[in-house]
Amino acid sequence: NAGVTQTPKFQVLKTGQSMTLQCAQDMNHEYMSWYRQDPGMGLRLIHYSVGAGITDQGEVPNGYNVSRSTTEDFPLRLLSAAPSQTSVYFCASRTTGEGANVLTFGAGSRLTVL
Amino acid sequence: AQSVTQLDSQVPVFEEAPVELRCNYSSSVSVYLFWYVQYPNQGLQLLLKYLSGSTLVKGINGFEAEFNKSQTSFHLRKPSVHISDTAEYFCAVSATKHAGNMLTFGGGTRLMVKP
Repeated sequence: NAGVTQTPKFQVLKTGQSMTLQCAQDMNHEYMSWYRQDPGMGLRLIHYSVGAGITDQGEVPNGYNVSRSTTEDFPLRLLSAAPSQTSVYFCASRTTGEGANVLTFGAGSRLTVL
Repeated sequence: AQSVTQLDSQVPVFEEAPVELRCNYSSSVSVYLFWYVQYPNQGLQLLLKYLSGSTLVKGINGFEAEFNKSQTSFHLRKPSVHISDTAEYFCAVSATKHAGNMLTFGGGTRLMVKP
């Protein structure tokens, strides 16, 4: 059981370049989300999805796009990377419903924007 | 909306000493509370959670936390730490009735266990 798989683990971009961080889960979880982790700020929610075809913004959505065409996949797109997007990105998933709040995290993707 | 404050960004402690990592939250609605641990270069793992019932919650690796509703706190404790407990610890909260049940994280506390 692979859990939540993120690729790539590391990426270096130049300002203005675009890229997609991939996230896949094999647990049939309805809920998927993307967080960014910055020193001293904990994890901040970027976007989330409660099921295929449904996405919504989190706390820091600007500069990022998401889509959810299947239950398994939830890619995060940076259309024009900026140095402020240098961060570690985590994808996380869980089941939905009352009390089902335990997130399963991927190992993270470290992005550097020069 | 809710917020989480972890009062200490770093906590140095000697091996076999007790430790307490402090967490306070703010919310206008009922909440669920969590502690996650992040070992170096890894993702986050659930340490323990409070959903309802007993306010003293036991987790993995000998950790426990106590939910104090009047003080809006959820402090994490361990009576005797090991070198392997060196990691970053995150307190998190979610509203019980929110459709998305979004987790809000604190800024993290880095626990440094010294020999």
